[in-house]
Parts: sequence; structure tokens; C-alpha cells
Amino acid sequence: NAGVTQTPKFQVLKTGQSMTLQCAQDMNHNSMYWYRQDPGMGLRLIYYSASEGTTDKGEVPNGYNVSRLNKREFSLRLESAAPSQTSVYFCASVNTGGVYEQYFGPGTRLTVT
Amino acid sequence: QKEVEQNSGPLSVPEGAIASLNCTYSDRGSQSFFWYRQYSGKSPELIMFIYSNGDKEDGRFTAQLNKASQYVSLLIRDSQPSDSATYLCAASNTGFQKLVFGTGTRLLVSP
Repeated sequence: NAGVTQTPKFQVLKTGQSMTLQCAQDMNHNSMYWYRQDPGMGLRLIYYSASEGTTDKGEVPNGYNVSRLNKREFSLRLESAAPSQTSVYFCASVNTGGVYEQYFGPGTRLTVT
Repeated sequence: QKEVEQNSGPLSVPEGAIASLNCTYSDRGSQSFFWYRQYSGKSPELIMFIYSNGDKEDGRFTAQLNKASQYVSLLIRDSQPSDSATYLCAASNTGFQKLVFGTGTRLLVSP
């Protein structure tokens, strides 16, 4: 099993550009998440999808959109990138077999200039 | 006020010592608690979870939970330089699948 995969690993955008971060998991997990991690701020939830076909806002959703394409894939879109969105983005999926253990992808390091 | 609080550190301990990492939470509805380890430039990986008051041991790691005091801790016995990392505490409210993370404590284990 590859676990949780993310693409790309690194990306540099100019202000105003758009891009989509891709995430896929092969563990048959129902729930998937997008976090951003900034120095001194810890991990903050952007959006999550409790199951295929549903999405909900997290703590910091402004400037982002998501799509749960199918059970495996959950993408995060920046429509008009801003320097404040410079961060490391992590996708995670959850084993809902009772303990909600989250598995994280390797992350995408995004810089917006 | 952040819902899960951790001292950012760094916490410095010599090799072989016990490292004690602490975490407090404000939501009394929190039921499950997790400790993740994150090496620099890497993604978080789960070390332990705990949801009952008391201690839970796994190898060199012991998680402690005190719901009355809203306090979670992680003890690392016989600390090794390879334990040097940032340790993230997270809490989950039963019925939800969202974790709230603390900002992490950086641990440095010196040889």
C-alpha cells in the first residue's frame, strides 16, 4: 500500500494564479482532510470530507475549495493564490474503525510570491 | 485561546533520560487524544493514542491522561538522539472525526 500520496511535492505560484493540490489514499478510508502547517501555528484544518460526496469547512477555509472526486481522491484548489497561502499542505485520511487514527501524506510545500 | 496547548520548547534532555511532554486541552467534550511525532520536513506520524484515564504504555512510550485536569502527557524513557523531533498533541471530540492539534513541542536529545 502506498498509503496517502500527494502531488506536487513543491510548487511556486505567483499571486493570483490558481492550482489544485491532489491527494489520494489506498486504505479504503471514508474520511479525508486537508491541513496547512505554518511555523508557530501548528496544523490547522482547512476542509474535510467525512465520506464520499460530502465536504465541510474546517478552521481556515477562506481562499480554498475542495472536491471529493471519489472515495480515494480529495483535491484542494486555490482559485487565486495569495502570499498568505504560503505554507506546507498536508492531506490525511482516517481509519474510522473506532479510534479515528489519521494517516498523513508527505506534504506539499507551496510558496506564493 | 487555542483549544490544545503545548509548550513550544525546545525541551532538551540527555541521552538515556526520561523526556516528559505535556499538553492541556480546553474542550471537556474531547474523548480521544493522540501524540504524533514530526521530524523536520516530514509529515506527522502517530505514536500513541489514549482515551481512558490513566496510563498507556507502548515500548519506551507512556501516554497519560487526566480528564479531570484536562491534561495529557507523553513520557519517553531511555531517550535517544533519534527521538529528537517535534511532538504534536491532538484531541478529538467523540462523534466527530476532526482533530484539534497543539502547536507542538520540540524535543532535543543530546548524545
